[in-house]
Amino acid sequence: NAGVMQNPRHLVRRRGQEARLRCSPMKGHSHVYWYRQLPEEGLKFMVYLQKENIIDESGMPKERFSAEFPKEGPSILRIQQVVRGDSAAYFCASSPPGSNSGNTIYFGEGSWLTVV
Amino acid sequence: AQKITQTQPGMFVQEKEAVTLDCTYDTSDQSYGLFWYKQPSSGEMIFLIYQGSYDEQNATEGRYSLNFQKARKSANLVISASQLGDSAMYFCAMRGRGGYNKLIFGAGTRLAVHP
Repeated sequence: NAGVMQNPRHLVRRRGQEARLRCSPMKGHSHVYWYRQLPEEGLKFMVYLQKENIIDESGMPKERFSAEFPKEGPSILRIQQVVRGDSAAYFCASSPPGSNSGNTIYFGEGSWLTVV
Repeated sequence: AQKITQTQPGMFVQEKEAVTLDCTYDTSDQSYGLFWYKQPSSGEMIFLIYQGSYDEQNATEGRYSLNFQKARKSANLVISASQLGDSAMYFCAMRGRGGYNKLIFGAGTRLAVHP
């Protein structure tokens, strides 16, 4: 049973380019979360999605960032016109439906974005 | 507002000794969950242990145990018989209101295990 798969693991973008990070949840999981980790900090919640729906995007920057989780295919975190401050590790996590107790969240290995 | 505080930016311990990493939390919720994660230099987040707010027993997982003191709002991680491979960043996190896995993380503690 494969875990949460993220790609790419490492991505380098020039300022002004777009970055797309992909996340395939664990089999049977329909809930996806994105977290961001700036250097030397803890993870910060960005967005929570279910298939075709954004449930909570309270942690997403208001501009340039968007996320989707289509009916088919992986979840995508998209960052337009990247700036140096976007350099961070982006973690995806998934959960099965109805999971609100116990350890029901599983993290991917992260995607490291470097903006040069 | 919900908050996790880890007051130890760095800790060191001698191999084979026990170490306690501190975590305090702030929440007005009655139902919540507390997590500890390990992040080695390779970067992945490794789940260590979970404690629910209604769990009466302190959680244990192998060499890891969680010292849960609800009245003091603390959830310290105890690692027994430290190993060199335990050197890493350790994060405390809380799942709060909303009924889904929106976790709030502390700033982390960097643990160095010395031979």
